[in-house]
Amino acid sequence: AQSVTQPDIHITVSEGASLELRCNYSYGATPYLFWYVQSPGQGLQLLLKYFSGDTLVQGIKGFEAEFKRSQSSFNLRKPSVHWSDAAEYFCAVGNPYMRFGAGTRLTVKP
Amino acid sequence: GAVVSQHPSWVICKSGTSVKIECRSLDFQATTMFWYRQFPKQSLMLMATSNEGSKATYEQGVEKDKFLINHASLTLSTLTVTSAHPEDSSFYICSARDLTSNTGELFFGEGSRLTVL
Repeated sequence: AQSVTQPDIHITVSEGASLELRCNYSYGATPYLFWYVQSPGQGLQLLLKYFSGDTLVQGIKGFEAEFKRSQSSFNLRKPSVHWSDAAEYFCAVGNPYMRFGAGTRLTVKP
Repeated sequence: GAVVSQHPSWVICKSGTSVKIECRSLDFQATTMFWYRQFPKQSLMLMATSNEGSKATYEQGVEKDKFLINHASLTLSTLTVTSAHPEDSSFYICSARDLTSNTGELFFGEGSRLTVL
């Protein structure tokens, strides 16, 4: 069965610091993996996705993620966080429908 | 990218009434759309898969008679919350996949916030 685990419910980082959000998945075949961001009261915006090929995926807003099959992980990273990055981040797996992780809320300190 | 539109974006209704939420794919066709529900500060939970021209497939624990789904065309799916009660208050989000795309990406609507008084 598909499942996604985001171990960190809430992360606080200082503006300008690096960021890594963790995501672990369980999937029976080659997974389709996604990271979405959601601002309060709004819908989802796709940051990046992985289907196959290069395991390091570049996304929008300076985000990247690395697929590690051996660790069943798809962690999201950003080298320097901006205050506008504060939001809820969801990792998702699956095709055709997605299963979402519980989400990680990112707070950015000035 | 592809656009999915939901309407209304927010609705307040009295307990016992029914509310319909529309999900439209504006620039692509979708045989399958998905309806999710999100409680405050929680993740998205898949409610059902909406199939064009056939019955929806509901996730375990989701009441079919409570949440009626109709997928009448390749660009429109509707979710009707029947006899709504305060516990149905939630954020409902639909998503769809472009028929012509092989990337597997789902495009999400902006969500519809339902408040039942």
